[in-house]
This record gives sequence, structure tokens and C-alpha cells, in this order.
Amino acid sequence: AQTVTQSQPEMSVQEAETVTLSCTYDTSESDYYLFWYKQPPSRQMILVIRQEAYKQQNATENRFSVNFQKAAKSFSLKISDSQLGDAAMYFCAYDNRDDKIIFGKGTRLHILP
Amino acid sequence: GAVVSQHPSWVICKSGTSVKIECRSLDFQATTMFWYRQFPKQSLMLMATSNEGSKATYEQGVEKDKFLINHASLTLSTLTVTSAHPEDSSFYICSARPVAGSAIYEQYFGPGTRLTVT
Repeated sequence: AQTVTQSQPEMSVQEAETVTLSCTYDTSESDYYLFWYKQPPSRQMILVIRQEAYKQQNATENRFSVNFQKAAKSFSLKISDSQLGDAAMYFCAYDNRDDKIIFGKGTRLHILP
Repeated sequence: GAVVSQHPSWVICKSGTSVKIECRSLDFQATTMFWYRQFPKQSLMLMATSNEGSKATYEQGVEKDKFLINHASLTLSTLTVTSAHPEDSSFYICSARPVAGSAIYEQYFGPGTRLTVT
């Protein structure tokens, strides 16, 4: 069975600094998607970034980028120039196109002013 | 962008009554919708997968007679919590996946419904 592990329950970063959130997953599939979702205090799930497993190039969305290591089954999220609005729960998620997303337990990110 | 709405956003009901939560995809069609439950400071727990025109598939441990799911159209799925009890109090989130063939493969999430059973 597929699993997603986020080993950092909480992290803190100074405003304007860079932080990396870790995520590892386990699967025997070769074709899948990986996502990072942000859940702010409003609890609305917001897609931060998406990575297709067949793409070797790491996905980037403005200040957010990933380090996708397929062989190591690692999918970390880097947030550059951290802003107060980045404070939220971040969930790593795996989707093998079989209609079910598997979420990690989440990392709560605090931004220190 | 794709928008999913949920109604109501917050509901309080008395123990023993039933409550219905609606999930609508507003600007796209969704053959598959998902219902999640989230406890405070925890991750999302998938309850069931709902496919338009067919019976929902429930995750292990989820009582299908208690959590009734209906996916009557390509834009609407409903979750009915029957004979609600205080332990059913939680945050319920739905998501929708665009129909097959869409260029975008991801789920879009509703804003959630907070259920409080007194």
C-alpha cells in the first residue's frame, strides 16, 4: 500500500528566509502525481504545487519549488522569501491516478516576524 | 479556476437528527467526488469516493448506513449524516475531480463544513 510520510510535525522560519518541508512516499507504481497542499486557518485546501512523476524537471511556482527525487521517493517543498501569509498546515499528497489521494500527516509552518 | 462549494459552511444539530451537506462543482463537471473528515490538527481522512450515477465506495471503518452519499449529477454530491451523535462532530471536506480527459489531473476542494452535534 502506498504511504506518505512527513517527518516534521512543526517548523518555524524567519520572515524572508527559506524553509524546506520534507516528504517521503512509498509506492511500487511508476506513473503518479505528487502534490503539496496548503491549509491556512480558514481550512480551505489550496494546491501549492504539482509534480508529475514522469517529468524529471522539478516543478516551480513563484516562491515555491520542489526537489523531486524519484529513485529516493522524496518530494520536498522549498519556500523562498517566506511571508507571514505562508503560515499554514502543509500536506504532501500522492495520487496514483486510481482515484484516491493519500495525504501525509502534515507539517505546521510558523513564520516568525 | 475551478471552484467547489459546500453548503452549509457551519451547522449545529441535535443528537438523533439527520443533516445533509451539499458539495457542488460550480464551473466544471466532476465524475468523481470525495468526502473527507478532518479532526483538529490532523490530516484529512477519506470517508468515501462518490461516482456519478453509481453507489459510493466507502473506506474501511466508515458506516455506510450512517453516512449516506448521493452523487446525482456531474456537479452535485451530498453527504447525509443520519441519526447524528456528538462523536460525529467534525469538519467535513469534499473534493471533486474533473471529468476524464481533462488536461488537469487534480482534485479541487470545497471550503468545508463544520458539523456540531449537541
